[in-house]
Amino acid sequence: DAGVIQSPRHEVTEMGQEVTLRCKPISGHDYLFWYRQTMMRGLELLIYFNNNVPIDDSGMPEDRFSAKMPNASFSTLKIQPSEPRDSAVYFCASSFRGKDYEQYFGPGTRLTVT
Amino acid sequence: ILNVEQSPQSLHVQEGDSTNFTCSFPSSNFYALHWYRWETAKSPEALFVMTLNGDEKKKGRISATLNTKEGYSYLYIKGSQPEDSATYLCAANSNSGYALNFGKGTSLLVTP
Repeated sequence: DAGVIQSPRHEVTEMGQEVTLRCKPISGHDYLFWYRQTMMRGLELLIYFNNNVPIDDSGMPEDRFSAKMPNASFSTLKIQPSEPRDSAVYFCASSFRGKDYEQYFGPGTRLTVT
Repeated sequence: ILNVEQSPQSLHVQEGDSTNFTCSFPSSNFYALHWYRWETAKSPEALFVMTLNGDEKKKGRISATLNTKEGYSYLYIKGSQPEDSATYLCAANSNSGYALNFGKGTSLLVTP
């Protein structure tokens, strides 16, 4: 298996622009998670899906952030409009319930908003 | 949200030394404790998932224990090697959901 795939790996954009991050989970996994990594706050959960349905989005910082999972093999995290404080590494992870909740992380997208 | 704390924040040992670090979490509403290994420029990699009080797991030179009654877990590395240098993350989830609450990690540097 190719593991969790994320794109792009790096994104540099100007403040005010829309940013879309993409994730392909491991085939057969029924949970998908979006995390953000910053020096100040560490690794924090933004939102997670079960069978393509958002379950907990309490970590989404504000209305500028939105996430979708149109099918079992694809999810997006969108920031519109982006701000410099959104600069971080965004990770996607997936898991299979039968694995005692072990999560498999993608390589991350490093976002820089100037 | 579970408040997960790790100590020490960083650790520097010599090759061959054995070392250990601590993860603490609230024991109420606890379901599972995860340890991840995170190398620079890579993604976190799962080491162990433990749920039962007294659980011990081992993978090569790395092992972990879990005490759910007092709310802590230890990660041990026997005979540290330079390739063990990484950040070790601990995370816990509760009975009420799949969300993982991560600690800030322990950054380990092993020098030859």
